[in-house]
Amino acid sequence: DAKTTQPTSMDCAEGRAANLPCNHSTISGNEYVYWYRQIHSQGPQYIIHGLKNNETNEMASLIITEDRKSSTLILPHATLRDTAVYYCIADSGNTGKLIFGQGTTLQVKP
Amino acid sequence: DVKVTQSSRYLVKRTGEKVFLECVQDMDHENMFWYRQDPGLGLRLIYFSYDVKMKEKGDIPEGYSVSREKKERFSLILESASTNQTSMYLCASSLFGQGEETQYFGPGTRLLVL
Repeated sequence: DAKTTQPTSMDCAEGRAANLPCNHSTISGNEYVYWYRQIHSQGPQYIIHGLKNNETNEMASLIITEDRKSSTLILPHATLRDTAVYYCIADSGNTGKLIFGQGTTLQVKP
Repeated sequence: DVKVTQSSRYLVKRTGEKVFLECVQDMDHENMFWYRQDPGLGLRLIYFSYDVKMKEKGDIPEGYSVSREKKERFSLILESASTNQTSMYLCASSLFGQGEETQYFGPGTRLLVL
């Protein structure tokens, strides 16, 4: 599975968009990009995933570059409850396991 | 909504005790997983199961065993608990399907071994 690189931490003002970048320059053609988040002392929560096209759901949008070497998770109107560690994972879905790195700690500030 | 529940949120056990951590999912998922999470080490896969009575070792299976007698239930067993097994234990489940692996996690069990 491709390795992903994320900033260690980011801040965002409440009500503003939070843009979380992820680099996955060695991603292979059959690997999806997944985003999960983990709020303190809880289990990880699935947010969104995509292969090539941009994706949007009720939680977030996922923008994947055309060469698929990087992506951005967008939380359109961040709230204090979005403060969490966000994990970007590249996985083919064939191994049965996900590799969680260190993620990005997003702090949403009032 | 997918629901994954774990038998306890917090557990305190003594060294040498046998410990059972139970996980139940209500969405008829084929795959179930046990991870542990430690500061600075992220989530590490202990065991997973892709069918009833089937199990596969993950990255750190030593000191653990698992049981899957029913599709909805996956148990993690610490045969003789040790202090280095103090950790947060997370259970997850997913649908069987190639190419997309969306895992749904339980709330976690924080285990302290004294």
